Parts: sequence; C-alpha cells; structure tokens
Amino acid sequence: GNSVTQMEGPVTLSEEAFLTINCTYTATGYPSLFWYVQYPGEGLQLLLKATKADDKGSNKGFEATYRKETTSFHLEKGSVQVSDSAVYFCALSTTSGTYKYIFGTGTRLKVLA
Amino acid sequence: EPEVTQTPSHQVTQMGQEVILRCVPISNHLYFYWYRQILGQKVEFLVSFYNNEISEKSEIFDDQFSVERPDGSNFTLKIRSTKLEDSAMYFCASTRGQGYTEAFFGQGTRLTVV
Repeated sequence: GNSVTQMEGPVTLSEEAFLTINCTYTATGYPSLFWYVQYPGEGLQLLLKATKADDKGSNKGFEATYRKETTSFHLEKGSVQVSDSAVYFCALSTTSGTYKYIFGTGTRLKVLA
Repeated sequence: EPEVTQTPSHQVTQMGQEVILRCVPISNHLYFYWYRQILGQKVEFLVSFYNNEISEKSEIFDDQFSVERPDGSNFTLKIRSTKLEDSAMYFCASTRGQGYTEAFFGQGTRLTVV
C-alpha cells in the first residue's frame, strides 16, 4: 500500500540555520508529492509540490526534489526564520483512483531567535 | 483565487448529539474529501466522494459517519452520535481529479465533544 514516513520531531534550530526534514514514501505507480505547512491553530497550506521524478518544488525559500531512485522528497531551506516555526507534513497523492492524500506524521519545527 | 470554505470554524457539542460539518468545495472540482486530525497527530483520510457517491472510505469512517452533497455546491459530513474521541479538526478538500492531483484544503472545523 501507499505510505509516507517523516522524520520525528521536534526540530529546534537557530535562526539562519539550514533545515532538512526527511520524507520517504512507498507507493504503487507514480504519485505526486507535496509538502504542507500548518501554523499554530490554522489549517493546511500547500508549501510546494512535485508531480514527477526529478521535479523540484520550491516556494518561500523551501525546496524539495522528487527522487524516484531513493523514494524521497526531503524538504530543505538554506536559512530558516522564526516565522517558519510550524508543523510540516509530507504527503502523496496517487495519480488515479480517488486521488486521496496519504500524510506523514508531521514534523514540528521551532526556530529560535 | 478560488478556495474551499468550511463552516463553522469551531463547534462544541455534547456527547451523543448529531453534528453536521459543512464545506463548499471549488466549483469545477470533481472529487471531494474529508480528513481528520486529532490534536497533535497526523492528518487521516476519512472519505472521498465522486459522482454523487462515496468512492473510498477508511476504516475510521464507520456507520456513525455519512456524507452528502445535497445541492450541488455544499458537501457535508454528518456524525450521528458523537463520542469524545471524535474531537478533532476536520478538513474538507477538493480536487479536479482526472490527473490533477493537487487538493485544495479548507481551513478546517474544530469539533469539540464534551
């Protein structure tokens, strides 16, 4: 079946540090991959996406590359800010059937000034 | 930009009561979903709805849950007899389908069962 595995949190970094949040997946076929961000008390916001192998999604300084050979979609940012403190969810969606999402467990990021 | 809207944003209900959570998906989308997030936990798929019927449901979606698209715009989730463990954030989502996989999520309804 389909599944997403994310690194455990919380992750605590100082401002301007480099961020990596690991995400690996198991899927039948060729899923689309997503990162969502959830700020405290808020809903899910799409951060970035990639729909095929070697695609790189990017937004607001965050990047992730769809690696089919390692079944990974790690989230990176070169210099985090306090405002990046949130929970980050990796997710996949199949490209047929019901297109439902499978989410990872989420990784809480805390950035200290 | 079109968006998915959910009402209410917060609902408090007594155990055993029925609740209806409402959603207005994006108008040209074909697939509709409900997801649940228990506080501090992962987002879990509940049900998908396509062509006026349930296309897939998870094991969480038992007989106390039902979904409906009563008027071509609203998409509702009904919980017949709420339990304490139904307390969670419920997200509605929609997607165009047909190879377009990006889902658009509403802001969620926080359901508190007391």
